[in-house]
Amino acid sequence: GNSVTQMEGPVTLSEEAFLTINCTYTATGYPSLFWYVQYPGEGLQLLLKATKADDKGSNKGFEATYRKETTSFHLEKGSVQVSDSAVYFCALIPSGGGADGLTFGKGTHLIIQP
Amino acid sequence: DVKVTQSSRYLVKRTGEKVFLECVQDMDHENMFWYRQDPGLGLRLIYFSYDVKMKEKGDIPEGYSVSREKKERFSLILESASTNQTSMYLCASSLTGGAYGYTFGSGTRLTVV
Repeated sequence: GNSVTQMEGPVTLSEEAFLTINCTYTATGYPSLFWYVQYPGEGLQLLLKATKADDKGSNKGFEATYRKETTSFHLEKGSVQVSDSAVYFCALIPSGGGADGLTFGKGTHLIIQP
Repeated sequence: DVKVTQSSRYLVKRTGEKVFLECVQDMDHENMFWYRQDPGLGLRLIYFSYDVKMKEKGDIPEGYSVSREKKERFSLILESASTNQTSMYLCASSLTGGAYGYTFGSGTRLTVV
């Protein structure tokens, strides 16, 4: 079946540090890949997505590149802020659409210290 | 701005009560989903629906049922609430296929005492 693996953390960084959160997946074909962010007490918000190999999704200074050869979709940001503190979820939908919903990783808790 | 609205942010219910969690979307999405989120377990799919009056079991449907009488509304029902159903419940919707992503509500934190 489909699966998503990501570091669970917590990951603690200082403000302005470089961020990488690793995400690898298992799925047949070419799934669509997503990063969602959940701020404290809130639901999930779509942060960025990529629908085919070598696509780069970007939003709010975050980027992730769909790497088919390594089945990865790592999230990066060059300079994090305290306001980026949240839980980040990597997720996929199988190619052709997912009849039973997104497959999520378990989430990475990111803490940014001033 | 497109929205998924969950009727309550916080609920406290007693063991054995019948509990209704309501979710409404205004995007004319075909698909709707209910997840629960627990520390260390991530998000787990309870039920989903791809059309009015249609429903499919997710990974953890036991103890839950759902209703979708109108396209915009998807209700999660706890027939007899138990303490192990204390959790954060998240509703989401998507277009058919879901390749453009899902839109989530703000969540309902349910405590069963």
